[in-house]
Amino acid sequence: GESVGLHLPTLSVQEGDNSIINCAYSNSASDYFIWYKQESGKGPQFIIDIRSNMDKRQGQRVTVLLNKTVKHLSLQIAATQPGDSAVYFCAEMFSGGYNKLIFGAGTRLAVHP
Amino acid sequence: DTGVSQDPRHKITKRGQNVTFRCDPISEHNRLYWYRQTLGQGPEFLTYFQNEAQLEKSRLLSDRFSAERPKGSFSTLEIQRTEQGDSAMYLCASSPGDYLSNEQFFGPGTRLTVL
Repeated sequence: GESVGLHLPTLSVQEGDNSIINCAYSNSASDYFIWYKQESGKGPQFIIDIRSNMDKRQGQRVTVLLNKTVKHLSLQIAATQPGDSAVYFCAEMFSGGYNKLIFGAGTRLAVHP
Repeated sequence: DTGVSQDPRHKITKRGQNVTFRCDPISEHNRLYWYRQTLGQGPEFLTYFQNEAQLEKSRLLSDRFSAERPKGSFSTLEIQRTEQGDSAMYLCASSPGDYLSNEQFFGPGTRLTVL
């Protein structure tokens, strides 16, 4: 399949290590944030979300941190696995409008055995 | 499969031809979105439907682009007189639309190549 994000920044990690992917968002009025995973030839897949009234949310092996002061979002993946290799996008939304998503540039995660 | 589906998955066309893509959202999702994604970039918003009403269009959506959702279920995106710059992945997403669920579920996309 065709590659997503041929020229994206890449984070390379060893299998079993923890990964941290960072994202800066643009709109201080955004109140909902999502991390998506995208594999080659596929649409974005929901990983985890967080509302602006929270600063941390945990899922299965994933944690999202939100710092509204500096408009920064991070995704932490614990015990990274080869199946986690993909391009990761953060997206922001202002839920008082029509809920369109504004995506960041994306980071490619490469997991090495 | 009860997810968002898109058809076709791939489309190759010559410059100047018209193309039409179809999106079938998750059943009972009243919100439907179209996005465009070029290589190395995140998806960019094109347009949004609440049921059959098209409520927002991006400035990216030139006059050659038109989208419909006639019965509030499936949607079509048509591009007239295609140009090479239209080559991209066209993604459709749907959402339940209630306040408690802002999550958007994406389809697999239609990859358009304009020669």
